[in-house]
Amino acid sequence: AQTVTQSQPEMSVQEAETVTLSCTYDTSESNYYLFWYKQPPSRQMILVIRQEAYKQQNATENRFSVNFQKAAKSFSLKISDSQLGDTAMYFCAFMKQQTSYDKVIFGPGTSLSVIP
Amino acid sequence: IAGITQAPTSQILAAGRRMTLRCTQDMRHNAMYWYRQDLGLGLRLIHYSNTAGTTGKGEVPDGYSVSRANTDDFPLTLASAVPSQTSVYFCASSVVQGVINEQFFGPGTRLTVL
Repeated sequence: AQTVTQSQPEMSVQEAETVTLSCTYDTSESNYYLFWYKQPPSRQMILVIRQEAYKQQNATENRFSVNFQKAAKSFSLKISDSQLGDTAMYFCAFMKQQTSYDKVIFGPGTSLSVIP
Repeated sequence: IAGITQAPTSQILAAGRRMTLRCTQDMRHNAMYWYRQDLGLGLRLIHYSNTAGTTGKGEVPDGYSVSRANTDDFPLTLASAVPSQTSVYFCASSVVQGVINEQFFGPGTRLTVL
């Protein structure tokens, strides 16, 4: 069974600085997707970035980028130039496509606080 | 509406009562999901439906039931609520046949069972 681990329950970063959130996963699959979701205090789940396992190039979305290490089963999220609006819970997620539905396994989350 | 709506936003419920959480999407997605979110555990799948008329069990289905009479609606029912069902519940949907099947989430329902 797949598992997703986020070893940092809480983190903080100064505004305008860079922070990296860690995520590791365990799977025997070779084809899968990885996601980072953001959940601000509004509770809405927002997709931040996604990575296809077959792609070697790390995904980037504006100030958000990932370091995908497939052999190490690691998928960290880097936030550059942190902003107050980045304060949120961040969830790493693993998804394997199945014939009937998309099975998504979420990590326990990392609470990020951006300090002015 | 655009996206996924859930009702109610929050609810306090006495143990033993029956409760239905509503979820509606207008994106014509074929698959829908119910998750519960608990501190330190992330989101866990309760039930899913890959198309109207069919449903399946997720990771934590006990005490919950779902139905999928049409494409848009996917209600979650707690037949006899217990305090351990206190949680935040999220409905989500996706297009399973898509290239990257991102799941879109509703705003959540905070349920407290006393």
